[in-house]
Amino acid sequence: QVTLRESGPALVKPTQTLTLTCTFSGFSLTTSGMCVSWIRQPPGKALEWLARIKWDDDKHYSTSLKTRLTISKDTSKNQVVLTLTNMDPADTATYYCARMGHYYDSNGYRRYYFDYWGQGTLVTVSS
Amino acid sequence: DIQMTQSPSSLSASVGDRVIVTCRAGQSIYTYLNWYQQKPGKAPELLIYAASTLQNGVPSRFSGSGSGTNFTLTISSLQPEDFATYYCQQSYSSPPYTFGQGTKVKIK
Repeated sequence: QVTLRESGPALVKPTQTLTLTCTFSGFSLTTSGMCVSWIRQPPGKALEWLARIKWDDDKHYSTSLKTRLTISKDTSKNQVVLTLTNMDPADTATYYCARMGHYYDSNGYRRYYFDYWGQGTLVTVSS
Repeated sequence: DIQMTQSPSSLSASVGDRVIVTCRAGQSIYTYLNWYQQKPGKAPELLIYAASTLQNGVPSRFSGSGSGTNFTLTISSLQPEDFATYYCQQSYSSPPYTFGQGTKVKIK
């Protein structure tokens, strides 16, 4: 049974750095093809993908946020950590981590989808 | 980044109605399109991947179609538990994995 759970501060001040931890079970990030992403959702707004880490430690970031984001993993603890620097009130959102399932396209490439999500953690940025 | 545009932003429908949600990609994404359902206060759930493949456990009243730039999510007979917001997401140019802005299905 796959589960993910986000943890971190509910309130951060502007300019501070946010650190969120995703603790998961039911799969391993050492398995070939496995990935975990972070996605956020400001109140009443749409989903925004932030970052992804793969089993081989390959990392990718949102184009608009890549200078502020860092994603890392600790496979011994089954955790993925996201940091977001220089927090602003516009970063107020529910932050989700999600496992990425995949299928193979006709060329043999993996194509991903978000098949398991954590319940999300609301982070408010305010002084 | 590939832009994903959904229409309408919201719609009102009655139980039993056929509902169609449209998603348009800014460039061809072949069939690399996923759909999610999100209920208030909950995390999104995967409904459909690869444009038309139903995720395990998803009721058969949900279906997806399309390729290239135009995609649809159809609910053949709307049920009370289907009132939610639906998002499309492309997995062609990945990453970044871009989402549509969402379509809220409301009770008429």
